[in-house]
Amino acid sequence: SAVISQKPSRDICQRGTSLTIQCQVDSQVTMMFWYRQQPGQSLTLIATANQGSEATYESGFVIDKFPISRPNLTFSTLTVSNMSPEDSSIYLCSVRTGVNTIYFGEGSWLTVV
Amino acid sequence: QQPVQSPQAVILREGEDAVINCSSSKALYSVHWYRQKHGEAPVFLMILLKGGEQKGHEKISASFNEKKQQSSLYLTASQLSYSGTYFCGTDYTSGTYKYIFGTGTRLKVLA
Repeated sequence: SAVISQKPSRDICQRGTSLTIQCQVDSQVTMMFWYRQQPGQSLTLIATANQGSEATYESGFVIDKFPISRPNLTFSTLTVSNMSPEDSSIYLCSVRTGVNTIYFGEGSWLTVV
Repeated sequence: QQPVQSPQAVILREGEDAVINCSSSKALYSVHWYRQKHGEAPVFLMILLKGGEQKGHEKISASFNEKKQQSSLYLTASQLSYSGTYFCGTDYTSGTYKYIFGTGTRLKVLA
Protein backbone atom coordinates (compact mmCIF):
# COMPACT_ATOMS: atom_id res chain seq x y z
CA SER A 1 0.00 0.00 0.00
CA ALA A 2 0.99 3.64 -0.18
CA VAL A 3 0.14 6.57 2.06
CA ILE A 4 0.21 9.95 0.38
CA SER A 5 0.46 13.29 2.13
CA GLN A 6 -0.43 16.44 0.28
CA LYS A 7 0.21 19.98 1.41
CA PRO A 8 -1.47 22.41 1.60
CA SER A 9 -4.87 20.85 2.08
CA ARG A 10 -6.59 24.14 1.38
CA ASP A 11 -5.55 27.62 0.35
CA ILE A 12 -7.03 30.87 -0.82
CA CYS A 13 -4.77 32.73 -3.20
CA GLN A 14 -4.73 36.07 -4.95
CA ARG A 15 -4.92 36.09 -8.72
CA GLY A 16 -1.56 36.48 -10.40
CA THR A 17 0.32 34.61 -7.70
CA SER A 18 1.72 31.06 -7.74
CA LEU A 19 1.24 28.18 -5.35
CA THR A 20 3.29 25.01 -4.96
CA ILE A 21 1.60 21.81 -3.85
CA GLN A 22 3.69 19.07 -2.31
CA CYS A 23 3.10 15.35 -2.51
CA GLN A 24 4.99 12.96 -0.24
CA VAL A 25 4.65 9.18 -0.48
CA ASP A 26 5.67 6.79 2.29
CA SER A 27 7.34 4.38 -0.13
CA GLN A 28 9.23 4.55 -3.40
CA VAL A 29 6.94 4.59 -6.41
CA THR A 30 7.68 4.81 -10.10
CA MET A 31 4.37 6.17 -11.32
CA MET A 32 3.19 9.48 -9.90
CA PHE A 33 0.47 11.63 -11.44
CA TRP A 34 -1.20 14.98 -10.91
CA TYR A 35 -4.92 15.50 -11.50
CA ARG A 36 -7.18 18.54 -11.45
CA GLN A 37 -10.85 18.45 -10.52
CA GLN A 38 -12.77 21.61 -11.29
CA PRO A 39 -16.01 22.23 -9.38
CA GLY A 40 -18.67 19.69 -10.32
CA GLN A 41 -16.40 18.01 -12.86
CA SER A 42 -14.51 14.77 -13.23
CA LEU A 43 -10.81 14.35 -12.61
CA THR A 44 -8.53 15.43 -15.43
CA LEU A 45 -4.96 14.21 -15.74
CA ILE A 46 -2.51 17.10 -15.82
CA ALA A 47 0.76 15.25 -16.16
CA THR A 48 2.87 12.27 -15.26
CA ALA A 49 5.71 13.22 -12.93
CA ASN A 50 8.84 11.41 -14.05
CA GLN A 51 11.74 10.95 -11.68
CA GLY A 52 14.89 12.55 -13.01
CA SER A 53 13.35 13.98 -16.16
CA GLU A 54 10.72 16.44 -17.31
CA ALA A 55 7.10 15.68 -16.64
CA THR A 56 4.89 14.42 -19.44
CA TYR A 57 1.95 16.79 -19.91
CA GLU A 58 -1.50 16.01 -21.24
CA SER A 59 -3.17 18.00 -23.96
CA GLY A 60 -4.28 21.38 -22.66
CA PHE A 61 -1.66 21.60 -19.94
CA VAL A 62 1.74 23.24 -20.33
CA ILE A 63 4.89 23.33 -18.29
CA ASP A 64 4.94 27.11 -17.96
CA LYS A 65 1.57 27.06 -16.22
CA PHE A 66 2.00 23.83 -14.23
CA PRO A 67 5.69 23.19 -13.60
CA ILE A 68 6.30 19.85 -11.90
CA SER A 69 9.32 18.57 -10.06
CA ARG A 70 10.13 14.97 -9.13
CA PRO A 71 13.50 14.94 -7.40
CA ASN A 72 13.17 11.37 -6.08
CA LEU A 73 10.85 8.37 -5.97
CA THR A 74 8.88 9.56 -2.94
CA PHE A 75 8.27 13.25 -3.59
CA SER A 76 6.82 15.59 -6.20
CA THR A 77 5.60 19.15 -6.43
CA LEU A 78 3.08 20.83 -8.69
CA THR A 79 3.13 24.60 -9.06
CA VAL A 80 0.10 26.48 -10.32
CA SER A 81 1.53 29.66 -11.82
CA ASN A 82 0.01 33.06 -12.44
CA MET A 83 -3.29 31.91 -11.01
CA SER A 84 -6.69 33.07 -12.18
CA PRO A 85 -10.15 32.22 -10.78
CA GLU A 86 -10.41 29.47 -13.42
CA ASP A 87 -7.64 27.63 -11.58
CA SER A 88 -9.87 27.18 -8.55
CA SER A 89 -9.96 23.41 -8.28
CA ILE A 90 -8.99 20.39 -6.30
CA TYR A 91 -5.51 19.20 -7.21
CA LEU A 92 -4.82 15.55 -6.49
CA CYS A 93 -1.59 13.63 -6.37
CA SER A 94 -1.85 9.98 -7.31
CA VAL A 95 0.52 7.03 -7.36
CA ARG A 96 0.25 3.68 -9.00
CA THR A 97 2.07 0.79 -7.43
CA GLY A 98 0.99 -1.88 -9.90
CA VAL A 99 -1.64 -2.81 -12.44
CA ASN A 100 -4.32 -3.11 -9.83
CA THR A 101 -3.53 -0.49 -7.28
CA ILE A 102 -3.81 3.26 -7.43
CA TYR A 103 -3.78 5.63 -4.48
CA PHE A 104 -4.78 9.27 -4.07
CA GLY A 105 -3.66 11.96 -1.75
CA GLU A 106 -6.37 13.81 0.14
CA GLY A 107 -6.26 16.66 -2.34
CA SER A 108 -5.42 20.33 -2.24
CA TRP A 109 -8.46 22.60 -2.38
CA LEU A 110 -7.42 25.79 -4.10
CA THR A 111 -9.56 28.94 -4.35
CA VAL A 112 -8.31 31.90 -6.38
CA VAL A 113 -9.84 35.28 -5.63
CA GLN B 1 -11.03 10.10 -24.94
CA GLN B 2 -12.86 10.17 -21.67
CA PRO B 3 -15.26 7.32 -20.87
CA VAL B 4 -18.88 8.46 -20.75
CA GLN B 5 -21.03 7.55 -17.76
CA SER B 6 -24.78 7.30 -17.59
CA PRO B 7 -26.92 8.47 -16.01
CA GLN B 8 -25.35 11.80 -15.10
CA ALA B 9 -27.34 11.91 -11.89
CA VAL B 10 -29.76 9.69 -10.02
CA ILE B 11 -31.87 10.07 -6.89
CA LEU B 12 -32.95 6.99 -4.96
CA ARG B 13 -34.84 6.11 -1.84
CA GLU B 14 -33.12 3.91 0.71
CA GLY B 15 -33.43 0.27 -0.29
CA GLU B 16 -33.76 0.93 -4.02
CA ASP B 17 -31.34 -0.36 -6.64
CA ALA B 18 -29.32 1.57 -9.20
CA VAL B 19 -27.10 0.84 -12.17
CA ILE B 20 -24.35 3.14 -13.40
CA ASN B 21 -22.83 2.57 -16.81
CA CYS B 22 -19.42 3.46 -18.16
CA SER B 23 -18.89 3.36 -21.92
CA SER B 24 -15.75 3.88 -23.93
CA SER B 25 -15.07 4.53 -27.60
CA LYS B 26 -11.74 2.77 -27.20
CA ALA B 27 -10.88 -0.71 -26.07
CA LEU B 28 -10.54 -0.98 -22.30
CA TYR B 29 -7.78 -2.86 -20.59
CA SER B 30 -9.14 -2.52 -17.10
CA VAL B 31 -11.87 -0.61 -15.30
CA HIS B 32 -11.75 0.81 -11.80
CA TRP B 33 -14.68 2.22 -9.89
CA TYR B 34 -14.45 5.02 -7.34
CA ARG B 35 -16.82 6.90 -5.07
CA GLN B 36 -16.19 10.48 -4.06
CA LYS B 37 -18.05 12.21 -1.28
CA HIS B 38 -18.31 15.95 -1.19
CA GLY B 39 -15.11 17.56 0.03
CA GLU B 40 -13.13 14.33 -0.07
CA ALA B 41 -10.76 12.54 -2.43
CA PRO B 42 -12.04 9.58 -4.48
CA VAL B 43 -12.10 6.23 -2.72
CA PHE B 44 -11.30 3.05 -4.61
CA LEU B 45 -14.18 0.53 -4.78
CA MET B 46 -13.03 -2.22 -7.11
CA ILE B 47 -11.15 -3.14 -10.25
CA LEU B 48 -12.18 -5.36 -13.13
CA LEU B 49 -9.53 -6.75 -15.40
CA LYS B 50 -11.05 -9.32 -17.69
CA GLY B 51 -13.94 -9.32 -20.09
CA GLY B 52 -17.11 -10.47 -18.47
CA GLU B 53 -15.59 -10.39 -15.03
CA GLN B 54 -17.84 -9.49 -12.16
CA LYS B 55 -16.88 -8.42 -8.69
CA GLY B 56 -18.70 -7.54 -5.54
CA HIS B 57 -18.08 -5.30 -2.58
CA GLU B 58 -20.80 -5.65 0.05
CA LYS B 59 -23.95 -4.72 -1.86
CA ILE B 60 -22.05 -3.09 -4.68
CA SER B 61 -20.98 -5.18 -7.66
CA ALA B 62 -19.72 -4.51 -11.15
CA SER B 63 -19.34 -6.15 -14.51
CA PHE B 64 -16.97 -5.53 -17.38
CA ASN B 65 -17.75 -6.39 -20.98
CA GLU B 66 -14.62 -6.02 -23.08
CA LYS B 67 -16.38 -6.53 -26.38
CA LYS B 68 -18.93 -3.84 -25.68
CA GLN B 69 -16.22 -1.62 -24.20
CA GLN B 70 -18.31 -0.92 -21.17
CA SER B 71 -18.64 -1.56 -17.50
CA SER B 72 -21.61 -1.32 -15.16
CA LEU B 73 -21.77 -0.72 -11.43
CA TYR B 74 -24.71 -2.22 -9.55
CA LEU B 75 -25.85 -0.78 -6.22
CA THR B 76 -28.28 -3.05 -4.43
CA ALA B 77 -30.57 -2.03 -1.58
CA SER B 78 -28.95 1.38 -1.44
CA GLN B 79 -28.02 3.00 1.85
CA LEU B 80 -27.65 6.65 2.76
CA SER B 81 -23.88 6.14 2.82
CA TYR B 82 -23.91 5.35 -0.90
CA SER B 83 -24.54 8.99 -1.75
CA GLY B 84 -21.71 10.60 -3.66
CA THR B 85 -20.26 10.85 -7.13
CA TYR B 86 -19.18 7.65 -8.81
CA PHE B 87 -16.39 7.57 -11.35
CA CYS B 88 -15.15 4.82 -13.56
CA GLY B 89 -11.52 4.95 -14.51
CA THR B 90 -9.36 3.17 -17.00
CA ASP B 91 -5.96 2.86 -18.54
CA TYR B 92 -6.64 2.13 -22.15
CA THR B 93 -3.49 0.19 -22.78
CA SER B 94 -1.71 -2.23 -20.52
CA GLY B 95 1.54 -0.80 -19.28
CA THR B 96 0.90 2.89 -19.88
CA TYR B 97 -0.37 3.38 -16.33
CA LYS B 98 -1.91 6.62 -17.48
CA TYR B 99 -5.26 6.66 -15.81
CA ILE B 100 -8.31 8.41 -17.27
CA PHE B 101 -11.55 9.01 -15.38
CA GLY B 102 -15.11 8.88 -16.69
CA THR B 103 -17.52 11.78 -16.69
CA GLY B 104 -19.03 10.87 -13.33
CA THR B 105 -22.48 10.02 -11.96
CA ARG B 106 -23.95 11.89 -8.99
CA LEU B 107 -26.01 9.62 -6.79
CA LYS B 108 -28.15 10.75 -3.89
CA VAL B 109 -29.93 8.37 -1.57
CA LEU B 110 -32.86 9.78 0.38
CA ALA B 111 -34.25 8.41 3.62
